[in-house]
This record gives sequence, C-alpha cells and structure tokens, in this order.
Amino acid sequence: AQKITQTQPGMFVQEKEAVTLDCTYDTSDPSYGLFWYKQPSSGEMIFLIYQGSYDQQNATEGRYSLNFQKARKSANLVISASQLGDSAMYFCAMREISTGANSKLTFGKGITLSVRP
Amino acid sequence: NAGVMQNPRHLVRRRGQEARLRCSPMKGHSHVYWYRQLPEEGLKFMVYLQKENIIDESGMPKERFSAEFPKEGPSILRIQQVVRGDSAAYFCASSPNLRDGINEQFFGPGTRLTVL
Repeated sequence: AQKITQTQPGMFVQEKEAVTLDCTYDTSDPSYGLFWYKQPSSGEMIFLIYQGSYDQQNATEGRYSLNFQKARKSANLVISASQLGDSAMYFCAMREISTGANSKLTFGKGITLSVRP
Repeated sequence: NAGVMQNPRHLVRRRGQEARLRCSPMKGHSHVYWYRQLPEEGLKFMVYLQKENIIDESGMPKERFSAEFPKEGPSILRIQQVVRGDSAAYFCASSPNLRDGINEQFFGPGTRLTVL
C-alpha cells in the first residue's frame, strides 16, 4: 500500500495568494514524523517543515505551515503570500519511528506548483 | 559547516561500464542515506549506512548495486555494468545522531547519471 499519497495535478497560484498542497499518509506506527521538501528546477532537495505525530500544534516556518489532521491522516502544506520563487516540485515524506529514529524517509510522488505573476 | 557534498554532479556512462558516486556527509553526521529519483517520480530509498556498517539495504537492487561508508572518506554508491534503466538522479542525505527522537535528513545536490 502506498504510504504517502500526493494526487493533485499541477497546481497554479497567483503571486501573493495562499496555496494548499495535499498529502495523505498511511501508517500503523503510533510515532512518526512528516516532512515537506521543495525541489526547484535546479534539482536540489530543500527541507521546508517538519511535524511530529505527537506534536500538539501545527508546525509553522515563516510562510510555510502544516495543516496536520491526525485522524484523517493528512498533512497538507500551506504556503502563504506565494512568490515566483516558490515555483517548484513539492514532496511530502514520512519517517516511522518504531523502525528506528534514524530510519529512512518514504516520499510521495510530488506536486508541481507554478506561481503566476 | 559545509553541506552534504556529492560528486560528480553529472556522470555519463555507456552500457556495461561502472558508475561510482561519492557522498561526503555534513561534519559530525555519521548516518548516510542513498535515494534514487527517476524522472517525474519521488525519491525512493535505497540504502542506509552508518560508519562501516550497512543498517538497511531494503531498497537496493539485488544485483550490480553496492554501497559502503568507510571509517575514513566518503560514502560510495557503486553500480556495476550499468544499463539504461539506471539513468536517474541519485541523492545522498545525512543526519546527525539521535536528537529528540526525530532527525532531519540533509540532502546533497544529487548526481545525475545518464547511461548511453
């Protein structure tokens, strides 16, 4: 079964507006971490934000926030005040802690975001 | 503190040749991970190493692929007798020792392998 699902087609957003990128996950591990990475056209992987399964509050990092709904197993990324430089692929990833604190990341297939001027 | 270093950034090989990809983790990081990204796909885990030990190789193809992380020097991902299907971006990531239960992985810039 797919552990990380990102099914949105290419997303478009107007500059300065907010956009939500969807991510659902599947795990039976009670302890896990959720990550979002950005991959611009240059190819590098840039860490954006992290949410732990036991965190009481939704994670925020500058213009990035994570809408974590544990019961629905979703961890959507919200980007506020979009900028042209936000155009990139965005990947959701998960680490299951019971397999080890330094265990592998499982990635979704990614979502392409294009910001329009 | 320099980030994760990978070289070469681009590598071209003919079918049947060997490819050696190198990864130097961030200073103080003893955990190294290799991932492969096929075109239009997410990253797929290959192998996780800690100094001189392979911890998890569940994502490594059974043949032609090997990885090491020696006591001294970079981690090496080796692909023998490359085929066109090996063309992909190979990313290395490193993480520090356990801290607060969750460790972020820091990624290198990747090596783009093209097999002709």
